Amino acid sequence: AQTVTQSQPEMSVQEAETVTLSCTYDTSESNYYLFWYKQPPSRQMILVIRQEAYKQQNATENRFSVNFQKAAKSFSLKISDSQLGDTAMYFCAFLKNTNAGKSTFGDGTTLTVKP
Amino acid sequence: GAGVSQSPSNKVTEKGKDVELRCDPISGHTALYWYRQRLGQGLEFLIYFQGNSAPDKSGLPSDRFSAERTGESVSTLTIQRTQQEDSAVYLCASSLAASGTDTQYFGPGTRLTVL
Repeated sequence: AQTVTQSQPEMSVQEAETVTLSCTYDTSESNYYLFWYKQPPSRQMILVIRQEAYKQQNATENRFSVNFQKAAKSFSLKISDSQLGDTAMYFCAFLKNTNAGKSTFGDGTTLTVKP
Repeated sequence: GAGVSQSPSNKVTEKGKDVELRCDPISGHTALYWYRQRLGQGLEFLIYFQGNSAPDKSGLPSDRFSAERTGESVSTLTIQRTQQEDSAVYLCASSLAASGTDTQYFGPGTRLTVL
């Protein structure tokens, strides 16, 4: 079974600064996907960024980028130029290729961006 | 509709009663997912549908939980003889197909409170 661990329950960052959220996972699979989701206080979850395990290049989406270390089973999210709207709970999730309906989520990191 | 909708948005019930939660996915999305989110925790996978069939029901916590989907659209999650530990937000998501490359779009959730 897969496990996803987010070791930082809460983090804060000043507006315009950079913050990194950590995620580690455990799996014996070689083909899988990793995701970061954002859940603002209004509750609706949205996808931030996706990484396919077979791709060595780290995914980026505007101000969001990941540091994917497959051997270390680490998948951190970097948010650059933090904005007040980035305040949310962030979840790391794992999806294996052979059962692409069942995602495993971490417990989340609550990020507060301070003005 | 433009997004995934869920009803009711809030449900308060007494212990021992049955409840039905409804999810309307995005039109054309063949995959549909149910998750449970306890307060301050990550998402717990319950079940997913590809079309009208459920390839993976492994996340259903007990035989009190069941789900169905008809016409490759609406899905209902039924909880029989509710218990206080069933109190949580139940989230539904849909995607074009059950694939790591297809983005899951989440609904706003149903907050269930069992008294």
